Amino acid sequence: QVQLQESGPGLVKPSGTLSLTCAVSGGSISSSNWWSWVRQPPGKGLEWIGEIYHSGSTNYNPSLKSRVTISVDKSKNQFSLKLSSVTAADTAVYYCASVVVPAGHPYYYYMDVWGKGTTVTVSS
Amino acid sequence: SSELTQDPAVSVALGQTVRITCQGDSLRSYYASWYQQKPGQAPVLVIYGKNNRPSGIPDRFSGSSSGNTASLTITGAQAEDEADYYCNSRDSSGSYVVFGGGTKLTVL
Repeated sequence: QVQLQESGPGLVKPSGTLSLTCAVSGGSISSSNWWSWVRQPPGKGLEWIGEIYHSGSTNYNPSLKSRVTISVDKSKNQFSLKLSSVTAADTAVYYCASVVVPAGHPYYYYMDVWGKGTTVTVSS
Repeated sequence: SSELTQDPAVSVALGQTVRITCQGDSLRSYYASWYQQKPGQAPVLVIYGKNNRPSGIPDRFSGSSSGNTASLTITGAQAEDEADYYCNSRDSSGSYVVFGGGTKLTVL
């Protein structure tokens, strides 16, 4: 069973860049999954940030697209998130997740494995 | 992109049946998936596709869909089912992903 572990700084200064990594264990990042980032501001709901396929294809939330970059490092079996020009509104728990779109079922979409999440606070 | 709409809060008596709904245009094309989130924990997938449960999810959880509405039903709700529930799917264009705003389930 795939396991995911987020890592990165817990505190980022306003206008800086948030950088997180998600390590994939128990499976290959080059599998048929997409790999996604989701965040949850304190007391609020889940917000999709974006996703990447092992080929490097990406999809981003339109509301964050100008500030987000998601990349994959096959040699380290991990993928990463960079969010630039952060403000207090970017303070949240950030989760990485494995996404399944089964072959032959293009209208299925689900996140089957989640990391435990990492809290990022934007503050000076 | 499209939105998914959920009722903010629902309550159910212990042992009774509750339905949590999710509405959105994308659900005419894509199946919803459902996640349970307890305080301080990561979301857990409980239903995906037409009506599929991951291993370890009790069979009291089931899913259904009609038109632009997906439903998560808990038959015989237990105290441990008290949690926030989120629906999720690709948006109508297929390029983005959307989450519902979440439903807080209280088991009385």
